[in-house]
Amino acid sequence: GAVVSQHPSRVICKSGTSVKIECRSLDFQATTMFWYRQFPKQSLMLMATSNEGSKATYEQGVEKDKFLINHASLTLSTLTVTSAHPEDSSFYICSARGGGRGQGYTGELFFGEGSRLTVL
Amino acid sequence: GEDVEQSLFLSVREGDSSVINCTYTDSSSTYLYWYKQEPGAGLQLLTYIFSNMDMKQDQRLTVLLNKKDKHLSLRIADTQTGDSAIYFCAEMEGFNKFYFGSGTKLNVKP
Repeated sequence: GAVVSQHPSRVICKSGTSVKIECRSLDFQATTMFWYRQFPKQSLMLMATSNEGSKATYEQGVEKDKFLINHASLTLSTLTVTSAHPEDSSFYICSARGGGRGQGYTGELFFGEGSRLTVL
Repeated sequence: GEDVEQSLFLSVREGDSSVINCTYTDSSSTYLYWYKQEPGAGLQLLTYIFSNMDMKQDQRLTVLLNKKDKHLSLRIADTQTGDSAIYFCAEMEGFNKFYFGSGTKLNVKP
């Protein structure tokens, strides 16, 4: 099946630094990728929709200058948490919607393994 | 986003059936999904159902959809300890956005 890979899986950084998380679709092209944030014991919150070759669409309440998203190719989207603070510590998960036969019809989403960010 | 609600916890004994329930509000949802999340991991798609279906069976998994009541359930037959995880239901809005429930933590006791 389709595979989405995230890197790094865990990152610890100091307050005020920026952290980049990569999301790659390994065996299919993803024109659209999604970034979610998950707080402990809570559901996933959609942060933004990443569109290849154009600007990301952010959900209400998500700071676009804080969470920079770049979708430069059909297989890679990056999320950069700028000037990270302890309250940004969370589990970030990306997903990609396959557009190929057997994938696009259901709108099936494939998820990465997640990246746990800890800001000290 | 849309409201998708689930109970937070479910505890069953190994070998019993588990039923996880979900309610949603968007009557225009076309697909509804069940995802499984193991500790520290991402989400794994278990199964999905198209909105014009009432039931879908896939090995030990049975999905029931009551569109009138906007109620979705996931039944796991012969539940095993390896089934312990958090289960999320999700609905698709349009063709691009998924909205997830809060997740039900399933604990399977040996």
